[in-house]
Amino acid sequence: DIQMTQSPSSLSASVGDRVTITCRASQGINNYLAWFQQKPGKAPKSLIFVASSLQSGVPSRFSGSGSGTEFTLTIASLQPEDFATYYCQQYNSSPFTFGPGTRVDIK
Amino acid sequence: EVQLVESGGGLVQPGESLRLSCAASGFTLSDYNFNWVRQAPGKGLEWVSFITTTGTIYYADSVKGRFTISRDNARNSLYLQMNSLRDEDTAVYYCGRGTAVSHWGQGTLVTVSS
Repeated sequence: DIQMTQSPSSLSASVGDRVTITCRASQGINNYLAWFQQKPGKAPKSLIFVASSLQSGVPSRFSGSGSGTEFTLTIASLQPEDFATYYCQQYNSSPFTFGPGTRVDIK
Repeated sequence: EVQLVESGGGLVQPGESLRLSCAASGFTLSDYNFNWVRQAPGKGLEWVSFITTTGTIYYADSVKGRFTISRDNARNSLYLQMNSLRDEDTAVYYCGRGTAVSHWGQGTLVTVSS
C-alpha cells in the first residue's frame, strides 16, 4: 500500500500570508494526487486533482505542484475562509490513501 | 446543479448491518466513477471503497469481506451495504463523485455501539 505523509501537521498563519503544505507518497503515484479542504462539521471540498489542476470554482490563490513522490499545495494569500484542515490523497492505486491532514489556523 | 445526498445512517449494535444510499441529481450517474470515504469522530479522512462505470470495485482492507459497494444507474443511486459492523466503523460516511472526487455529499452518520 502507498503511505501518504503531510507536513507540517499544523500551522498558524495570518491573513495575507503565503502558505505551503507538503505531501509525500511512499512510492511514485503518476501525479494522481488530489487536495481537499475541510472545515469542522462540514463535508470536504475538492481543490485540486492530478497534482496541479484546479477544480471548477476554486479560487486561483490555490495552486498545486510536484511530481513523483513529493507534492505541494500553496495558498498564495491566505484569506479568512481558508482556515481549515487540508488533506492530500493518492488515487494511483488501491487503497486510495489519504494523508493525515494539515490544520491551518489563525496566528 | 450536481447534488449527492447520503442516507441510511443510524445507531446499530456490533454485528448488525446497514445499507447506505447516495442519491445523485444534476448529472447522469452512469457517466462517473464513485468513492465512499468515512471519517471517524475527531479523525482524518479514510477511503473505504471505489466503483467504476464498468463495475470494477476496490475496498480498503479494513472493510473487505464485510462491505459491498454497488450502483443502480437506473435509479441514479450508489449504495454501500455494511455487514458485521464493528465499533471502529463508527464514522460519518461520504459518497464522492469521480476517481479524484470533485463533488461530495453531506455525509451520513453511522454509530456502532452496544
